[in-house]
Amino acid sequence: GNSVTQMEGPVTLSEEAFLTINCTYTATGYPSLFWYVQYPGEGLQLLLKATKADDKGSNKGFEATYRKETTSFHLEKGSVQVSDSAVYFCAPCWKTGGFKTIFGAGTRLFVKA
Amino acid sequence: GAGVSQTPSNKVTEKGKYVELRCDPISGHTALYWYRQSLGQGPEFLIYFQGTGAADDSGLPNDRFFAVRPEGSVSTLKIQRTERGDSAVYLCASSAPPYNEQFFGPGTRLTVL
Repeated sequence: GNSVTQMEGPVTLSEEAFLTINCTYTATGYPSLFWYVQYPGEGLQLLLKATKADDKGSNKGFEATYRKETTSFHLEKGSVQVSDSAVYFCAPCWKTGGFKTIFGAGTRLFVKA
Repeated sequence: GAGVSQTPSNKVTEKGKYVELRCDPISGHTALYWYRQSLGQGPEFLIYFQGTGAADDSGLPNDRFFAVRPEGSVSTLKIQRTERGDSAVYLCASSAPPYNEQFFGPGTRLTVL
């Protein structure tokens, strides 16, 4: 069946460091790909998305590229800030019986000043 | 505009009791999803509504769980004979065509003692 695997956390970085959080999925067909973020004490919110191969999603300095050949959607940011500390979820969405989304286990990021 | 709202925000109950969790989606969103999030995990799909009907209920763990959406707007998740293992945050999300993004509510934290 369809599944998603993302890098285990926690990830601890210093401010202005480069961030990569890996995400790969196994799939039948071609899902839309999403990264959601959960800031401390807040609800889940969409960070970025890509709906077809080679699309690049971007938001708030974060980027991820839909790689069909490697079934991956790695999240990157060139220079993290303390305010980026949160939990990040990779979430492919398949249009099977109604856009079912499978969330990864989440990667907690701590950014130190 | 108003986002997805969920009530109550917290619910503490005793093992064996019945609980109802309510979700108010964004106005006009035809798709509604319920998820369950255990500590340290990503959201786990429970059920998806398109309009009034449950299009996919494959994530409901057993027949103690049931959800309705009688008028295609507000939804209620019902849990009978609660067990300690039901303790989690229950998330609701809604979506509109082309259903490429889900908007999440703040969740209801259910604690079964």
